Amino acid sequence: GQQVMQIPQYQHVQEGEDFTTYCNSSTTLSNIQWYKQRPGGHPVFLIQLVKSGEVKKQKRLTFQFGEAKKNSSLHITATQTTDVGTYFCAGLRNFGNEKLTFGTGTRLTIIP
Amino acid sequence: EPEVTQTPSHQVTQMGQEVILRCVPISNHLYFYWYRQILGQKVEFLVSFYNNEISEKSEIFDDQFSVERPDGSNFTLKIRSTKLEDSAMYFCASIRTSVYNEQFFGPGTRLTVL
Repeated sequence: GQQVMQIPQYQHVQEGEDFTTYCNSSTTLSNIQWYKQRPGGHPVFLIQLVKSGEVKKQKRLTFQFGEAKKNSSLHITATQTTDVGTYFCAGLRNFGNEKLTFGTGTRLTIIP
Repeated sequence: EPEVTQTPSHQVTQMGQEVILRCVPISNHLYFYWYRQILGQKVEFLVSFYNNEISEKSEIFDDQFSVERPDGSNFTLKIRSTKLEDSAMYFCASIRTSVYNEQFFGPGTRLTVL
């Protein structure tokens, strides 16, 4: 079945440093979504990417969808303590399919 | 701001017992989902529900699981005979109009099977 892997599994960064998580799908995706889950919380939607090669920015966060629509990345510039949490990518495989497959997640911790 | 609610927040049950987890999706949403997350692991899709019927389910969603939307507002997940490995956080989610919109997740129900 479809698998969505993320690396790294864990990332510890000094506050102010940058952070990147990479997402790779075993199959081509129709779109990809990113969610953030704070410790003890529930997933919260961040963004959706649909087009091949698409890049979107939200303040310090930059999201990219690969040309082949099989990979994606999230980059955070100058991390802050509020960025702590686990970041999940989640993909839909094809149009009409409703199964959102979540990636394995990257847990970000910030050293103040 | 409207939000998805779930009850109870924590459910403890004995192995073999039936449990019903309840969710109230956002009122004008049309697509409903259940996910589970074993502690420290990824979020796993269980089932999607649209137009009063299951539209897709995963291999995890076997005959022990069922979903219902009994009254137009609640959306329930029933596990008929719980197993130890059913212990997890169960999240309900809903989408307004299209599977290509963001999913709004509820706070989750932590299920502990003893």
